[in-house]
Amino acid sequence: AQTVTQSQPEMSVQEAETVTLSCTYDTSENNYYLFWYKQPPSRQMILVIRQEAYKQQNATENRFSVNFQKAAKSFSLKISDSQLGDTAMYFCAFMRITTSGTYKYIFGTGTRLKVLA
Amino acid sequence: DAGVIQSPRHEVTEMGQEVTLRCKPISGHDYLFWYRQTMMRGLELLIYFNNNVPIDDSGMPEDRFSAKMPNASFSTLKIQPSEPRDSAVYFCASSLDGGLSYEQYFGPGTRLTVT
Repeated sequence: AQTVTQSQPEMSVQEAETVTLSCTYDTSENNYYLFWYKQPPSRQMILVIRQEAYKQQNATENRFSVNFQKAAKSFSLKISDSQLGDTAMYFCAFMRITTSGTYKYIFGTGTRLKVLA
Repeated sequence: DAGVIQSPRHEVTEMGQEVTLRCKPISGHDYLFWYRQTMMRGLELLIYFNNNVPIDDSGMPEDRFSAKMPNASFSTLKIQPSEPRDSAVYFCASSLDGGLSYEQYFGPGTRLTVT
């Protein structure tokens, strides 16, 4: 069974600094997708960045980038130039498509990030 | 588009009562997901639908939970009878198949408190 582990329940970072959130997963699959979702205090969950496992190049979205290490089954999120609006809970998620065509989504337990002024 | 709409935003009920949570997915999306979020267990996928058909309900905790999707624009999650341990935030999300993103669009959630 797939698992997603976020070992950092809480983190803090000074505004304008860089922070890295870790995520590891366990799977025997070769094709899958990885996501980072952000849940601010308003509770609305939004996608931050996604990575297809078959792509070697790390995904980037403005100040957000990932370090995808497929062999190590690691998928960390780096936030550069942290802003107060980045304060949120961040969830790492794994998704694969089964042979029967169903989707399997698994979310980590989240990392609560606080950006300090 | 207004995004995924959930109602009510907050629900407080007494143990034993029936609770119905509602969701309207983004128009055109053919996948709909129900999640439960608690401090102890994080975000759990309960069930998801494709083209109004339940595909995987292995995450539904008990027979007290049921979900329906009578049409492409409406889904319900019902708990009967409700128990205090059902207290959580319930999220609905929708997704569009055929694309390459598999991104899920979440609603604002319903905070359920069972006393």
